[in-house]
Amino acid sequence: AQSVAQPEDQVNVAEGNPLTVKCTYSVSGNPYLFWYVQYPNRGLQFLLKYITGDNLVKGSYGFEAEFNKSQTSFHLKKPSALVSDSALYFCAVRDLESGGYQKVTFGIGTKLQVIP
Amino acid sequence: DVKVTQSSRYLVKRTGEKVFLECVQDMDHENMFWYRQDPGLGLRLIYFSYDVKMKEKGDIPEGYSVSREKKERFSLILESASTNQTSMYLCASSTRGGWPNEKLFFGSGTQLSVL
Repeated sequence: AQSVAQPEDQVNVAEGNPLTVKCTYSVSGNPYLFWYVQYPNRGLQFLLKYITGDNLVKGSYGFEAEFNKSQTSFHLKKPSALVSDSALYFCAVRDLESGGYQKVTFGIGTKLQVIP
Repeated sequence: DVKVTQSSRYLVKRTGEKVFLECVQDMDHENMFWYRQDPGLGLRLIYFSYDVKMKEKGDIPEGYSVSREKKERFSLILESASTNQTSMYLCASSTRGGWPNEKLFFGSGTQLSVL
């Protein structure tokens, strides 16, 4: 079975500093990995995805994520945090090993607080 | 842009009531999903549908049913609401053409309180 772990409930970072939101995954085959963001009172919005190829994936709003197969991680990063980045961030994975339509499994979410 | 519209932002119901949550998408997407979001548990898939009149159980289907009579509309039904179904419900859609790396488009959610 596929699973995603987001080890931090909350991450606090000062505005202008780099940020990292951690994610590790477990799949039986090759993973498709995603990051979504949820702003207050809104649904989730897609940020970026990893399929194959370059391990560094660039996404919306200046975010990027680094895929590390040996560590089964897909950490979300941004070089310089903005107050407007404060939101709830979800990592998600899809495993294609089992065949058929495979659902996306989400992590429990990490709240990012950017401090002015 | 894709728009996924959930009919109610907030809903308050009583225990035992039959509850309908409606979701409509405007981009002709084949796939539609219902998730519930709870603090500390993240998003959990209740049901999904990959075509009209088709449905598949997700991780937590107990106490729920769904209906997809038209491609653009996906309804979640709580046959007899219970207090443990108090939650944020999120509808999502995606295009089959982008599978398996398609992104999901989410509605703004319905916060359901069962008293």
